[in-house]
This record gives sequence, structure tokens and C-alpha cells, in this order.
Amino acid sequence: EDQVTQSPEALRLQEGESSSLNCSYTVSGLRGLFWYRQDPGKGPEFLFTLYSAGEEKEKERLKATLTKKESFLHITAPKPEDSATYLCAVINTGTASKLTFGTGTRLQVTL
Amino acid sequence: NAGVTQTPKFRVLKTGQSMTLLCAQDMNHEYMYWYRQDPGMGLRLIHYSVGEGTTAKGEVPDGYNVSRLKKQNFLLGLESAAPSQTSVYFCASSPGRGRPWGETQYFGPGTRLLVL
Repeated sequence: EDQVTQSPEALRLQEGESSSLNCSYTVSGLRGLFWYRQDPGKGPEFLFTLYSAGEEKEKERLKATLTKKESFLHITAPKPEDSATYLCAVINTGTASKLTFGTGTRLQVTL
Repeated sequence: NAGVTQTPKFRVLKTGQSMTLLCAQDMNHEYMYWYRQDPGMGLRLIHYSVGEGTTAKGEVPDGYNVSRLKKQNFLLGLESAAPSQTSVYFCASSPGRGRPWGETQYFGPGTRLLVL
């Protein structure tokens, strides 16, 4: 059974204080790892897809990296508008595009 | 493009009542999904479809039925609502395997359901 564990559950940062969110996964065969952002009362918004260990993707202040056991979402010099819940999910090679989600990291960035 | 839309946005039901949630996508995606999101549980897959006229069970299918009569629409039905089905329901779609970025799922805004 595929499993995704995200840590920490919640993170509070000051504006400009860089940090990383962790996503550990157990899957028999990784087809892809996905990062989403979810604002309160809204649906998840796609950020990145990573397919193989060593791959990195960047978007503005966010950078996602992937190893064989975990993924990190690095947030550089965050701003209050980066406050959201960040979700990690994996797709197994044999599961017809079905995502298995972690429970998310709730990020709050204060002035 | 509107992307993925869901109706209604919010609904209150009494135990035993039935209802249908509608999901529509205008991206010509092959695959569509229904999830529920509960505090501390993450998003869990209820049912999914890999093409018009096809459906399959996900992780938590009991108490729900689905239909995909048209490629752009995916309906989720609750035949006899129970308080345990109080949740936020999200629909998603993806282009499908074999297509560029085929497995990236795009989500709708959600339907909040309260069963009393």
C-alpha cells in the first residue's frame, strides 16, 4: 500500500525566513510525485511534478526536489501570500493515475 | 477555459436523503476523479473514470455511486446520506496516460456537504 507522510504538520515562518517542507513516501514503483497548494475553502492548485530522483523544479520562491525516499519543498524568503497548506501526492506505476495524498503541511508566513 | 467546475458549492442534507454532485471540465480530459477531504485524513479517492462510459472504485467507495455518460461530466451520487458523509468533495480531471503531462490532476473548487 502506498503511503505519504508530510512533516511538519504546521509551520510558522516570518517573512524572509527560508525553510523546507518534507514529504516521505513508500511506493512499490514511483511514477510521479506531485506538489499542490491549497488555500482555505478552495481546491488544490497544481505546483510541480517530479518523476525521478535528482530532479528539481522551481517556481518563484518555491523549489521542489526528489530523492528515492522523499521530496522537499524549499521556500526561499517567503511572503505572507505563500501562506497555505501544501500537499504532496504520489502515483504508483500500476494504479491508473490514482493519487495517494499526504495530510499536508499548513504554512503560515507572518510579517 | 473554466477548468473544473462543481455544483452545488454547499448543501445541507438530512440523513437518508439523496443528492447528486455534478462535476464538469472543459479541458477535454480523459480521466476524472472524485475525492473527499476530511480533517486529519487528507484527500481520499472515492471513484474515478478513465474514459466516457467507464467508472471504477477508489479507496472509499461505499455509499456512493458515479456515472460518466459524457466525457466532460462526472456525477457523484449519494443514495441515502449518512452523517459520516459530511465532508468536502473535490472533483479532478487529468489528460490521461500517454498524453503530455497526462497524470497531472486539476481540481475543482469543492462542494461542502453537511448531513444532519
